Amino acid sequence: EDQVTQSPEALRLQEGESSSLNCSYTVSGLRGLFWYRQDPGKGPEFLFTLYSAGEEKEKERLKATLTKKESFLHITAPKPEDSATYLCARSPSNDYKLSFGAGTTVTVRA
Amino acid sequence: DAMVIQNPRYQVTQFGKPVTLSCSQTLNHNVMYWYQQKSSQAPKLLFHYYDKDFNNEADTPDNFQSRRPNTSFCFLDIRSPGLGDAAMYLCATSIGSNEQFFGPGTRLTVL
Repeated sequence: EDQVTQSPEALRLQEGESSSLNCSYTVSGLRGLFWYRQDPGKGPEFLFTLYSAGEEKEKERLKATLTKKESFLHITAPKPEDSATYLCARSPSNDYKLSFGAGTTVTVRA
Repeated sequence: DAMVIQNPRYQVTQFGKPVTLSCSQTLNHNVMYWYQQKSSQAPKLLFHYYDKDFNNEADTPDNFQSRRPNTSFCFLDIRSPGLGDAAMYLCATSIGSNEQFFGPGTRLTVL
């Protein structure tokens, strides 16, 4: 069974304190690795897709990277509005359905 | 703006009383998905339509059914909601295997 594990479960940061979130998966073979942001009571908002090891994508203070078995979401100099739950999801090479991790809840204090 | 719309945003039903949640999209995507998400948990895929083809996940209870009358609309029917069915229900769309775009969700409460 394909398992997607995100760590840490929760992250409390001071405004401006950079950090990284981890997403790892157990089954080899990757069609795509997806990052989403989810605010409380709302649907996930698409952030990035990564397809191959070594690939990087950036958007404002967020940067996603991918290795063969894990992905990182780096948050640089976060602001309070970056507070949210960040979900990663993986589609294996033989399927297009997504397996989601449980998310990392990030809280940024001013 | 092209988007995924879910109605209602909040639904309260009684134990055992059938309920229907709706999803519409203006993205013209060919794949539509229904997920269930409980508090602090990962979204769990219930089923999806790839074009007109219905695909049910093996562990989706028989209590849950879906209809897709046309490309733009998809419905989730819960025939006899139990207390354990209280959750956020998320609709998503995609073009084939590309990234999925989600609606705002419907929060279901079962009394």
